[in-house]
Amino acid sequence: EIVLTQSPDFQSVTPKEKVTITCRASQSIGSSLHWYQQKADQSPKLLIKYASQSFSGVPSRFSGSGSGTDFTLTINGLEAEDAATYYCHQSTTLPQTFGQGTKVEIK
Amino acid sequence: QVQLVQSGAEVKKPGASVKVSCKASGYTFTTYFIHWVRQAPGQGLEYLGIINPSGGGTSYAQKFQDRVTMTRDTSTSTVYMELTTLRSEDTAVYYCARASETATPFDYWGQGTLVTVSS
Repeated sequence: EIVLTQSPDFQSVTPKEKVTITCRASQSIGSSLHWYQQKADQSPKLLIKYASQSFSGVPSRFSGSGSGTDFTLTINGLEAEDAATYYCHQSTTLPQTFGQGTKVEIK
Repeated sequence: QVQLVQSGAEVKKPGASVKVSCKASGYTFTTYFIHWVRQAPGQGLEYLGIINPSGGGTSYAQKFQDRVTMTRDTSTSTVYMELTTLRSEDTAVYYCARASETATPFDYWGQGTLVTVSS
């Protein structure tokens, strides 16, 4: 199966700062990489699909990039409501797999 | 609006089985696939498998191949996930999630069902 490795595991960030989370795949997955946000005690929510396409209703401060094996989620101007764990997900091959998650805390 | 509403929390003994339901509304049930994902306490997301509500076809992650069964009832727009021979490591929140094709992102998720396995 395809292994997704996120870095960092944890990030403590001041509001308005820029946040960058990376996701590396164990083999090429083209652009079939998606990002989710999960707040405490909630279900995950889709943020970015196919590496760089914003899902409907997602604030413009969230953006994604990358292809092949290396991907990035960027939050430009972190807001307090962005405190959450972020997961990458590949859908190209069954079993579909997720990264281990990156927890973003607000300082 | 699109909704996936799951059944309530369950407490099971080791060796028992659990069946979790996921009722869809707000869209045409047979035109979207349903995936199942679980999350152990304080842990990440783990993929269980997929069902096509149109024909009932399924594909399971190898880890769960011999213990999981996914079915659907088109008359009630409900998908079911049954996990057998439960052990303590199966304690987790189980989510259903919708996708337009087999290899597309999960655009809507259920609220999750906590399954606790304890003697």
